[in-house]
Amino acid sequence: QKEVEQNSGPLSVPEGAIASLNCTYSDRGSQSFFWYRQYSGKSPELIMSIYSNGDKEDGRFTAQLNKASQYVSLLIRDSQPSDSATYLCAVILTGGGNKLTFGTGTQLKVEL
Amino acid sequence: SQTIHQWPATLVQPVGSPLSLECTVEGTSNPNLYWYRQAAGRGLQLLFYSVGIGQISSEVPQNLSASRPQDRQFILSSKKLLLSDSGFYLCAWSAGHFNEQYFGPGTRLTVT
Repeated sequence: QKEVEQNSGPLSVPEGAIASLNCTYSDRGSQSFFWYRQYSGKSPELIMSIYSNGDKEDGRFTAQLNKASQYVSLLIRDSQPSDSATYLCAVILTGGGNKLTFGTGTQLKVEL
Repeated sequence: SQTIHQWPATLVQPVGSPLSLECTVEGTSNPNLYWYRQAAGRGLQLLFYSVGIGQISSEVPQNLSASRPQDRQFILSSKKLLLSDSGFYLCAWSAGHFNEQYFGPGTRLTVT
């Protein structure tokens, strides 16, 4: 089992819809979770961090964390073509110190 | 505000040639610094990280090395490049309790 798993996609949603991206992790003791957006040919950009169970909202983005079920998700409301990118989930595993473990990413396509 | 620089942006090198990639961070003191590699269509692989000057931890055995000669400078090197060293090399920094990592623009290396 991979430590951090994401569906590679592509996930296609129409413009204006809600995009839902999911990530599961194997280490029950993990405490810190991050979502990055990576446009093709560019470096990853941090868009959300979440540390406690529940929802965290920032503009059109909502991160949801459920430690009991070991998943973290990212919702993008009112999806725009500019949201088309690969979304990377990252986790600091127990004993990982400062190190992030990344999933392989989910490609999102927002269609007109 | 903090800024992270990487250079060069692109590099084409023959097999067996040496490599030196540089990363510098502005606007923060004593950051944690990281080198990642992202091969085409693959996830992010942590290569090295550093919590202070001269302190380097290696994550993957390989023909690469890293050095941190100054607080905000991180260098990735190789004496002899292999074809498998091709990829997108990313430097990142973090600071503070929550260890959010921020990436530089990256160096795209092609070994021919």
